Amino acid sequence: EIVMTQSPATLSASPGEGATLSCRASQSVSSNVNWYQQKPGQAPRLLIYGASTRATGVPDRFSGSGSGAEFTLTISSLQSEDFAVYYCQQSNNWRTFGQGTKVEI
Amino acid sequence: QVQLQESGPGLVKPSETLSLTCTVSGDSISTNYWSWIRQSPGKGLEWIAYIHSSGSTKYNPSLNSRVTISIDTSKNQFSLNLSSVTAADTAIYFCAREVEGIVVVPASWGLKERRKYYYMDVWGRGTTVTVSS
Repeated sequence: EIVMTQSPATLSASPGEGATLSCRASQSVSSNVNWYQQKPGQAPRLLIYGASTRATGVPDRFSGSGSGAEFTLTISSLQSEDFAVYYCQQSNNWRTFGQGTKVEI
Repeated sequence: QVQLQESGPGLVKPSETLSLTCTVSGDSISTNYWSWIRQSPGKGLEWIAYIHSSGSTKYNPSLNSRVTISIDTSKNQFSLNLSSVTAADTAIYFCAREVEGIVVVPASWGLKERRKYYYMDVWGRGTTVTVSS
């Protein structure tokens, strides 16, 4: 099983600041990483697929990068609606999610 | 637009079988892949299984022996059965559509490469299942 490890577990930031979330795979997953945003009481929402391609309707302040085993989700300027939990997920072998990074004010 | 709706009992007794159905509207279940994912209280996401209309399935190895996923194209539904449940199976269960996307990227010698990626782009709202006697 490929283990996805996210850091930090919690990120405290203010609106307007940037945020960088990390995700590390226990082995290479090429570029087969997706990022999701989840708000309380809601289903996850797809943000990024293929490590760096924004999903339809996702603001361009969200960007993804990385390949192999190291991946990053960057939010360039946090808006109030961005405070949520973010998950990375690999689709290279079966499917596994990271444990999540909570972005809080 | 595409919508997914989970349905099934909210309470299941220990050792019994948890059965859920996901009804798809706005898309044919005869295309794409269809997944189940769960989220234990206060925890992260755990992928359970997916199925394609061709009958192809994949299961989370940690749940493999207890999970069965099936599809009914006539009803545009797919289902999950999880046997021998315990309190550890208490969770919110989500169904989701997994699609194949093509991304064109630069390659060597000025050429371009088409890469396939798989991602879950539409999710149901989730249904809470509690395992308790």
